[in-house]
Parts: sequence; C-alpha cells; structure tokens
Amino acid sequence: GAVVSQHPSRVICKSGTSVKIECRSLDFQATTMFWYRQFPKQSLMLMATSNEGSKATYEQGVEKDKFLINHASLTLSTLTVTSAHPEDSSFYICSARDDSRGYGYTFGSGTRLTVV
Amino acid sequence: GENVEQHPSTLSVQEGDSAVIKCTYSDSASNYFPWYKQELGKGPQLIIDIRSNVGEKKDQRIAVTLNKTAKHFSLHITETQPEDSAVYFCAASNDYKLSFGAGTTVTVRA
Repeated sequence: GAVVSQHPSRVICKSGTSVKIECRSLDFQATTMFWYRQFPKQSLMLMATSNEGSKATYEQGVEKDKFLINHASLTLSTLTVTSAHPEDSSFYICSARDDSRGYGYTFGSGTRLTVV
Repeated sequence: GENVEQHPSTLSVQEGDSAVIKCTYSDSASNYFPWYKQELGKGPQLIIDIRSNVGEKKDQRIAVTLNKTAKHFSLHITETQPEDSAVYFCAASNDYKLSFGAGTTVTVRA
C-alpha cells in the first residue's frame, strides 16, 4: 500500500526561529499533498493543498507567509513554519493522494511542534 | 464547502459489544467517504472507505454503510476489542480535498 513518511516526528524550537517539516511519498508519486494542523482533542484542520510545480492553495485564515509550502518534486512536500511563536505549537500532519492506484489519502505520522 | 458532522463524540462499550458511529455530510458532490483511526501522537490510519456508488462495505469486524439520499454514512465495529480504543474520524471528499468530522473517542472496557 501507499506509504507517506513525515519528519521530524518531534521538534522543539525557540520563538522567532523557523522549522521545516518534510513529507515524502515513498512508493508512489503524489501530484497533490495536503497539510493539516491538529490541536489537542480536536479534528484535523486543512491548512493548505500543495501542488507539484505550482503554488500552494491556502485555506481561509491560514497565513501563507508564515506557513511556507514547497512541493518541488512528485515525492516531496515541505512545510516551513517561519518566525515561530508559542501559539504555533501544534501537531502538523501531511497527507498525499495516490491517484494512480486509487488508494485515497494516506497520512504521515505527524510532527509535534513545540515553540518555547 | 463541505460540512461533516459526527456523533457521538465519545463512546464507551464493553469488550465484545458493537460500536456504531454516525456521520452526515452536506455536499451532494462528495463521492468518497473514508474512516480513520488515530492513536495518541500518531497520524490517522485508514481503516475502511466507501465510494458513492456502493451502499455497504465490510472488512472483517468493520463495516461502513452509505445512504446517499439522506447524506449519511456509518461505521460499525463488531466484537470490539481493547485495541479498538482510539479516536475515529469520518471524512468526505469531492475528489479534491477531505473534510473531517469532529471525531469520536471510543473506549472499549475489558
């Protein structure tokens, strides 16, 4: 089946610094990847849709200058949280869609970001 | 946009009993309905899914039913086991993006 690898699993950073999270599709090509944010005991909220070779589409209320998304290849999308602040602390999860095999949406294992 | 409602928010069942979670959706264009299981600190894992041209699908102890007319779909877990304890999310997709329900915390009592 489709596998999505997400790194790092946990990261702690200081306020004002930037953090990059990687999402890789290991055994399929993903023209579309998705980035979600999840607060404790809440559902997944879509932040943006990442399209290979083009600009990401951000959901309403998500600051595109703060959450930079790059989808430079068919197997890698990155989310960079710029100038992180404590309120950016959250669980970030990526997802990729394997259109060629109809596997639907496969999720990464998530990244726990803590900004101190 | 799509709005997915999920009930109940918490569910406690005795081991061996069945668990049922229900979801409704608003967008009639939605055609893919997956269910995910999420354990603490991990990403969601697909447990079963159904497409709009099918009314029911079963995989061992797990089944999903879909009523397109009423715009609702349900997850059924039979013979529950302690390892079924987790948060379950329903979702709906119109081939573009997934919209999630609020989640159901299932606790299986031994």
